[in-house]
Order: sequence, then C-alpha cells, then structure tokens
Amino acid sequence: AQSVTQLGSHVSVSEGALVLLRCNYSSSVPPYLFWYVQYPNQGLQLLLKYTSAATLVKGINGFEAEFKKSETSFHLTKPSAHMSDAAEYFCAVSEDDMRFGAGTRLTVKP
Amino acid sequence: DTAVSQTPKYLVTQMGNDKSIKCEQNLGHDTMYWYKQDSKKFLKIMFSYNNKELIINETVPNRFSPKSPDKAHLNLHINSLELGDSAVYFCASSQDGTGKGETQYFGPGTRLLVL
Repeated sequence: AQSVTQLGSHVSVSEGALVLLRCNYSSSVPPYLFWYVQYPNQGLQLLLKYTSAATLVKGINGFEAEFKKSETSFHLTKPSAHMSDAAEYFCAVSEDDMRFGAGTRLTVKP
Repeated sequence: DTAVSQTPKYLVTQMGNDKSIKCEQNLGHDTMYWYKQDSKKFLKIMFSYNNKELIINETVPNRFSPKSPDKAHLNLHINSLELGDSAVYFCASSQDGTGKGETQYFGPGTRLLVL
C-alpha cells in the first residue's frame, strides 16, 4: 500500500534561509510523487510532481524536489525563503489513488 | 477563469440539517473527487467519480452522498449533519482518473461549521 510521511508538522525559517521540507514514501511500485501548497484559506495548488522522467524536479516559485530511491525520499527545497512562502505543504503519492501526508506548516520569519 | 469552483465558500448550519455543497470544473476532466480536511489539516478522500464509476471511501458515513448532474459537476449532499462534520471540504478533478501520476486540481474549499 502506498503512503507518505512528512517529518515535522511545523518548520520555521528566516527570510532568505534555505527551506527543507521532508517527505518519505512507501510504495509497492515505482511511485508518482507530488508536492502541493495550501495558502491560508485557499485550496491546494500543485508545486511539482515526479513521474520518473528526472530525479530532480523543478516546480513553481523556485521550489524543487529530488527523488532518491535509495532513501525513499522526496524532500522539497528552496534556496531562499520569502515571506510569501508561508503556507501548508503537502506531499502526496499516487498509485491507484492519491494519498496525502499530514502536511508541514512553513513559517517564515522576517 | 476559475478551473474548479465550489459554492458556498462558508456554510454555518445547525445539527440535524441537510445541506449541499456544489462543485463545478471547466477543465473538461472526466473524474472528480471530494476530500475532507479536518482541523489538523489532514486530507482524506471521500469519493472519486467519473461517468462510469463511483468509488466510495468505506469510512464515509452514508449520510454523505455525491450527486453528478453532468460531467462538469459533482455536488456533495449531507444529511442529518453532525458536529463532527465540521471541516473544510475540497472538490478536485483530474483528466481521466487513472490515478497514476495524474495531477488533481483543487477547488478553493467550503468551510462547514455545524453548531
């Protein structure tokens, strides 16, 4: 059965600092992996997705994620945080249906 | 143009009432979904539906029923509302619902509060 685990329900960084949001997956087949972002009082918006074409996936707003099969990970990174990045981030895996992680709230301090 | 829209955005109602939430997508997608997001932000799939098949998460009470007048709409009807139904409900759609690697597009959510 497929699942994802997001390590850390809350991550706080300073503006300009590196953002690292962790996601580990479990899947019986090669996975399709996603990162979605949810800004306050809004729906989920796709940041990026991995579909086996390339292990390093670039998304919107300067985010990227690297698929590491040996570590069963798909961590999301951004070199320099902006205040506007403050949001809830969800990792998801898709096999027959889409399963979401519990979410990580990113806070950006001035 | 809004790809996936939901109405109402906010819904406050009394226990025991029956209410509906509407969802429309203008993406031409074949499959639509309803998710429930609880107060801890956990997202749970409730239904997925295309014109061929309704898949129900077995944990969803039968007070919840999806109704699809056409391919672009999937409404959520809830009977006998309970306090525990308070949550944010998201509608989503995808191209054909095969699941594998498909992107789902989400609506803005409906915030339901049952008093």
